[in-house]
Amino acid sequence: DGGITQSPKYLFRKEGQNVTLSCEQNLNHDAMYWYRQDPGQGLRLIYYSQIVNDFQKGDIAEGYSVSREKKESFPLTVTSAQKNPTAFYLCASSIGGGDQETQYFGPGTRLLVL
Amino acid sequence: AQSVAQPEDQVNVAEGNPLTVKCTYSVSGNPYLFWYVQYPNRGLQFLLKYITGDNLVKGSYGFEAEFNKSQTSFHLKKPSALVSDSALYFCAVRDERGSTLGRLYFGRGTQLTVWP
Repeated sequence: DGGITQSPKYLFRKEGQNVTLSCEQNLNHDAMYWYRQDPGQGLRLIYYSQIVNDFQKGDIAEGYSVSREKKESFPLTVTSAQKNPTAFYLCASSIGGGDQETQYFGPGTRLLVL
Repeated sequence: AQSVAQPEDQVNVAEGNPLTVKCTYSVSGNPYLFWYVQYPNRGLQFLLKYITGDNLVKGSYGFEAEFNKSQTSFHLKKPSALVSDSALYFCAVRDERGSTLGRLYFGRGTQLTVWP
């Protein structure tokens, strides 16, 4: 987990509310990723970014939004349009997004719906 | 299309015995393969990866994995299991063609339980 921080550890969302998950890295990595983990389904890619001010949708981007204004930060907003947000959210980063590179993960944020 | 299969949801092994966690993959070109481990309520920790070269890859905590191109497999192994190895293990793949901007495709995970 070293070098990538996620906050909060637990987050509660009320119906109709937007919530933002924080991801910060001090590894000087260009590429950052957001994954969603549900029991028995592995990890699914939500959004990824290879460079500041640029990001791409992953497989399950609907109901989520991101920004990449700084190299170190890649916050994820779970909007009210995401009807089933309860999951474990993992942020990752790699040096430049190349195919041979290892992705390193943060400790995760567990989102629960009230 | 790229995909990874982990055919066993759960693997149980006695401490001191060898362990194997299976992974098979499907890619268009040559694969880049990764193993990660996850402890409860934690992020994923990188164990090892295969890019090219020697088919036997050694990684962290005494784990190793064998790349078998003809069987499209990348099984994770350890000669002597420890109770502390009990965790959720993920296999992941990328295609060398790089059209997917470095994204990883994950298997569903295998829960390893090592009994004392």
